[in-house]
Amino acid sequence: DTAVSQTPKYLVTQMGNDKSIKCEQNLGHDTMYWYKQDSKKFLKIMFSYNNKELIINETVPNRFSPKSPDKAHLNLHINSLELGDSAVYFCASSPLGSGRGTGELFFGEGSRLTVL
Amino acid sequence: AQKITQTQPGMFVQEKEAVTLDCTYDTSDPSYGLFWYKQPSSGEMIFLIYQGSYDQQNATEGRYSLNFQKARKSANLVISASQLGDSAMYFCAMREGNYNNNDMRFGAGTRLTVKP
Repeated sequence: DTAVSQTPKYLVTQMGNDKSIKCEQNLGHDTMYWYKQDSKKFLKIMFSYNNKELIINETVPNRFSPKSPDKAHLNLHINSLELGDSAVYFCASSPLGSGRGTGELFFGEGSRLTVL
Repeated sequence: AQKITQTQPGMFVQEKEAVTLDCTYDTSDPSYGLFWYKQPSSGEMIFLIYQGSYDQQNATEGRYSLNFQKARKSANLVISASQLGDSAMYFCAMREGNYNNNDMRFGAGTRLTVKP
């Protein structure tokens, strides 16, 4: 069973379109994240939620809207896609606050978005 | 604001030799956690090792050890007896403050190539 799963793994779309990436974790963690990894492999935090509450909202264009329907799911919707949005988007979860482990991140496999 | 610096964009090591990947950090918070992750060419992010700022001993996990020098604010990853499968990107990350702080930031990464 995949601990953190993202769908789809690949998206290819035209500029101006809207797309969504879904993320689910079955680890029982309260904390979830979205990170963006650019072509130079730099990982940038975008959003973080604790138990459905938005905790971190980095300087991200408001075309990006996360949504957490429950603590096991964190989806990312992107409106009006631009060329610069092309990247790999990683979902992650963490046992923060649970007293378990070190609070490390458990990552999904990533979703590669290509905007043409 | 926290800052993680990895000054080696790329490193080469001969198979079976040891290699050190550098990481320095900047924080004024006395409580923080340091993490190393591996990203092979397949793209997944793999957690390797953790060091807490109050830990008295350097962390070790199998062939991975963390050379933690608190006064110098460095947390270098040492990989002993390198294997071909160690070829990957390696990222250092830090979480400031207490265990419940969501904010985990990454360095730019180091690409390690193990030569046969």
